[in-house]
Amino acid sequence: AQSVAQPEDQVNVAEGNPLTVKCTYSVSGNPYLFWYVQYPNRGLQFLLKYITGDNLVKGSYGFEAEFNKSQTSFHLKKPSALVSDSALYFCAVRPTGGFKTIFGAGTRLFVKA
Amino acid sequence: EAQVTQNPRYLITVTGKKLTVTCSQNMNHEYMSWYRQDPGLGLRQIYYSMNVEVTDKGDVPEGYKVSRKEKRNFPLILESPSPNQTSLYFCASQRTGGDTDTQYFGPGTRLTVL
Repeated sequence: AQSVAQPEDQVNVAEGNPLTVKCTYSVSGNPYLFWYVQYPNRGLQFLLKYITGDNLVKGSYGFEAEFNKSQTSFHLKKPSALVSDSALYFCAVRPTGGFKTIFGAGTRLFVKA
Repeated sequence: EAQVTQNPRYLITVTGKKLTVTCSQNMNHEYMSWYRQDPGLGLRQIYYSMNVEVTDKGDVPEGYKVSRKEKRNFPLILESPSPNQTSLYFCASQRTGGDTDTQYFGPGTRLTVL
């Protein structure tokens, strides 16, 4: 079955430190990969996506993600965390040729001042 | 402003009382979808629509209905809500011109069924 795993329910980092939110997937072929962020009482907002090409993808708010095909991973990173980055982050995968998107369970990021 | 709107944002109801959650988008998107978000489970797709009058079941369709009579609107109907449908619901839309496009999400509807 196709699935997306976010192994950490919560990630805690200090402001100014680098952060990583992990995502691995089990989807056949070469799927498209997405990261979304959800702030309290808001809908999901698009951060970045990987379609093809360079394995390092840059997105909104200084976030980037590294695609690793051999490990089927798409980890979200940021060099220097801000308190305002505290939110719920979702990794999502879309098999090619369709529109269905499979979401991970979400990882709550807490950045401490 | 490009957006997806949902109403109501919050709803408390009782078991068995029919309700409708509306969803509207102003981006002329063909594809629309409903998700429910539950802790530890992420977003699960309830129903989706590829265009007007074209709808299909997602992963968790039981207890829900949808309709797509106009391109911009995609209401979610719970004909006889039950407590296990207490959840946070999101509507989303997307162009079908390219399968690489992102989805745009509404602000969510928090539903409590007593």
